[in-house]
Amino acid sequence: KAGVTQTPRYLIKTRGQQVTLSCSPISGHRSVSWYQQTPGQGLQFLFEYFSETQRNKGNFPGRFSGRQFSNSRSEMNVSTLELGDSALYLCASSSASGTETYNEQFFGPGTRLTVL
Amino acid sequence: AQSVAQPEDQVNVAEGNPLTVKCTYSVSGNPYLFWYVQYPNRGLQFLLKYITGDNLVKGSYGFEAEFNKSQTSFHLKKPSALVSDSALYFCAVRVPLSWQAAGNKLTFGGGTRVLVKP
Repeated sequence: KAGVTQTPRYLIKTRGQQVTLSCSPISGHRSVSWYQQTPGQGLQFLFEYFSETQRNKGNFPGRFSGRQFSNSRSEMNVSTLELGDSALYLCASSSASGTETYNEQFFGPGTRLTVL
Repeated sequence: AQSVAQPEDQVNVAEGNPLTVKCTYSVSGNPYLFWYVQYPNRGLQFLLKYITGDNLVKGSYGFEAEFNKSQTSFHLKKPSALVSDSALYFCAVRVPLSWQAAGNKLTFGGGTRVLVKP
């Protein structure tokens, strides 16, 4: 099976712009989660989608949003970019379904976002 | 709220020696615990997990971890380290509450950089 893929791998944007990141989960996985990784804050949970519904959300401002499509592919959007949004954004998929949350997540290689 | 602590920012070990990466957690309820490894410019790779049952869990690449409920710890170990084990290691916890409350949210520790010297 192909792993989790994320596009693009690298992005450079300027403050005030918006950006959309894409994630394709492992085939058959319906849960997709997004994480932000920075040197200062470490790995922080952004949100999770399951069957096109946002199931959980982290403590990020409303500028961060996401969605999931019927084929489980997910996108996250960051509007009005700030310098502090520079980070590695990781997507993870899991085969976990309704109440099964013990399955491990499989991570993609990430999208490196630089905000100038 | 749940939290994970990895008390060592970096662990240095000689090749062939035992490797231990420490992790303690704080949760309400019974945790699911995970270890991941990250190589430069790569995403996280799953190593092992503890869900229930035997406290000693064996995972990928010769790694194992021991769940200790009384000490709320989940230390990662490898009997004989390799230079190729040099990477960033993350401990993570998930507390299954309800479908809506928990989902697949992982709370990560700050990471421990492992350097294995030849």
